[in-house]
This record gives sequence, C-alpha cells and structure tokens, in this order.
Amino acid sequence: EDQVTQSPEALRLQEGESSSLNCSYTVSGLRGLFWYRQDPGKGPEFLFTLYSAGEEKEKERLKATLTKKESFLHITAPKPEDSATYLCAVHTNAGKSTFGDGTTLTVKP
Amino acid sequence: DAGITQSPRHKVTETGTPVTLRCHQTENHRYMYWYRQDPGHGLRLIHYSYGVKDTDKGEVSDGYSVSRSKTEDFLLTLESATSSQTSVYFCAISEQGSGANVLTFGAGSRLTVL
Repeated sequence: EDQVTQSPEALRLQEGESSSLNCSYTVSGLRGLFWYRQDPGKGPEFLFTLYSAGEEKEKERLKATLTKKESFLHITAPKPEDSATYLCAVHTNAGKSTFGDGTTLTVKP
Repeated sequence: DAGITQSPRHKVTETGTPVTLRCHQTENHRYMYWYRQDPGHGLRLIHYSYGVKDTDKGEVSDGYSVSRSKTEDFLLTLESATSSQTSVYFCAISEQGSGANVLTFGAGSRLTVL
C-alpha cells in the first residue's frame, strides 16, 4: 500500500528564519511527486512536480528536492504570506494520487 | 479557481437524507475527481471519472455514488447521509495522460451531517 508521511505536522517560524518540510514515501512505481499549497478555506494549489531522484525545482522562496525515499520543501527567508498548509502527494503507475496529511506552516512577523 | 465551481459551498443536513454535491468545470479536462479532507487523514479519493459515463471507485467509496453525464459536470451523491460523512469535499480535474497528474482543485464544499 502506498504511504506518504509528512513532518512536522506544524511548524512555526519567525520571518526570515529558513527551514525545511519533509515528505517521506513508500510506493511502488513512482510516477511523480507533487507539492501543493493550501490556504484556509480554499482548495490545494499546485506548486511543483518532481519526477526523479536528484531533481530540484524552485519558485520564489521555495525549493523542492527529491531523493528515492523522500522529498524536502526548503523555505528560504520566509514571509508571513508563506503561511499555509503544504501538502505532498505521490502519483504512481497505478494512475492515482496519494496525499500526506500536510504540514501547517505559520510565519510570524 | 481555474474554471472549477463546486455547489453548494456549505450544507447542513440530517442523518438519513440524500445529498448531492455538484462539480462543474469549464476546462474541458477529461479526468475529474472527488476527494474528502478530514483532520488526520489528509485528502482521500472517493471516486473519479475518466470520461462521460466512465467512473471508478477510490479508496473511500462506500456510501457514495457518482455520475457524469456531460464532460463538464461530475456529481457526488450520498444516498443516505451519516455523521461520518461530515467533511470538506473537494472536486479536482486533470489532463492525465501527459505523464504528470497535476490536479486543479475547486474551493471545496463543507458538509455537516447532524
């Protein structure tokens, strides 16, 4: 059974304090790993797709990396507007996506 | 929300009553999905559709049925709602087939079953 575990569940940072979120996975036949951002009361919004170990993607203060067993979402010098829940999902050769429970990030000014 | 509309956005109902949630897209995407999101469980797939009248079950399909009579509409029905179906329901669409199943989500429908 495909499993996705995100840690920590919640993360509180001061503005400008860099950190990383973790997504570890156990799947058979990884086709892609996805990161989404979800704001309160809204649906998840796509951030990145990673396909193979060693791949990296960047967008503003966010950088996602992928190994054979986990992915990291690095947040550099975060701002209060980066506060959200970040979801990781894996898409497998079976054609379906499995989501982690998410990490809720709070960035205080 | 990228051409996805969910209705109703909020609904309170009583145990045993039927409920239908609607998802409407203007993107002409082939694939449509219904997820539920609960604290501690993340997003779980209920049902999905890969074309008009083509649907399949997800991991938590018991107690739910779906229908897709037009490309743009995907309906989720709870035939007899139970308190365990209190949740936030999200519809999503994708252009699966490119090798990357990027999901675009609607704003969600919050259902409370009393």
